[in-house]
Amino acid sequence: GENVEQHPSTLSVQEGDSAVIKCTYSDSASNYFPWYKQELGKRPQLIIDIRSNVGEKKDQRIAVTLNKTAKHFSLHITETQPEDSAVYFCAALFSGGGADGLTFGKGTHLIIQP
Amino acid sequence: DSGVTQTPKHLITATGQRVTLRCSPRSGDLSVYWYQQSLDQGLQFLIQYYNGEERAKGNILERFSAQQFPDLHSELNLSSLELGDSALYFCASSGTPGRDGELFFGEGSRLTVL
Repeated sequence: GENVEQHPSTLSVQEGDSAVIKCTYSDSASNYFPWYKQELGKRPQLIIDIRSNVGEKKDQRIAVTLNKTAKHFSLHITETQPEDSAVYFCAALFSGGGADGLTFGKGTHLIIQP
Repeated sequence: DSGVTQTPKHLITATGQRVTLRCSPRSGDLSVYWYQQSLDQGLQFLIQYYNGEERAKGNILERFSAQQFPDLHSELNLSSLELGDSALYFCASSGTPGRDGELFFGEGSRLTVL
């Protein structure tokens, strides 16, 4: 099955600075890579996703890059704000033998320092 | 509101007991996923159902079982509960498995085993 590694586990940045979270995956057949944000005590929510036929995708202050050769993808948040504080999960879609599902990384706790 | 409903929101029980968690997916979604999130842990995939049939299995213990009913709601049964089963259990639904679809998460059921 798929294995997704996520780093760092905790990231503290000054408000206004950029934050980068990195993930690697093991299954070269994976073709969909979403990022979820989970605020304290709440459910995970999709913030951005990228498919394997695209190298980069942006949505306002967030962007995701994908390097299929190296099997890694990253989340970039620019001009960080206090409301960006949350746990971020990367995921990769695995498939095989008719089974489908997302494998999540262990999460990154992003702390925005005022 | 994601459209995915989970009950109960909170549940406190004792070791050795059995509980049932319920999930109603978004209207029209055929696929239901169950995830376990322990304290400071990531999202562990347990099991997936599609249109009433088991589709994929993750790290689900033999003491746990699930099913999806004809009306597409799903139940996760946890038996012979242990302290380590205390966690937040999320249900998620999506439209079409095997496609690059977004997962919509419920608010979760927080299980505390004393």
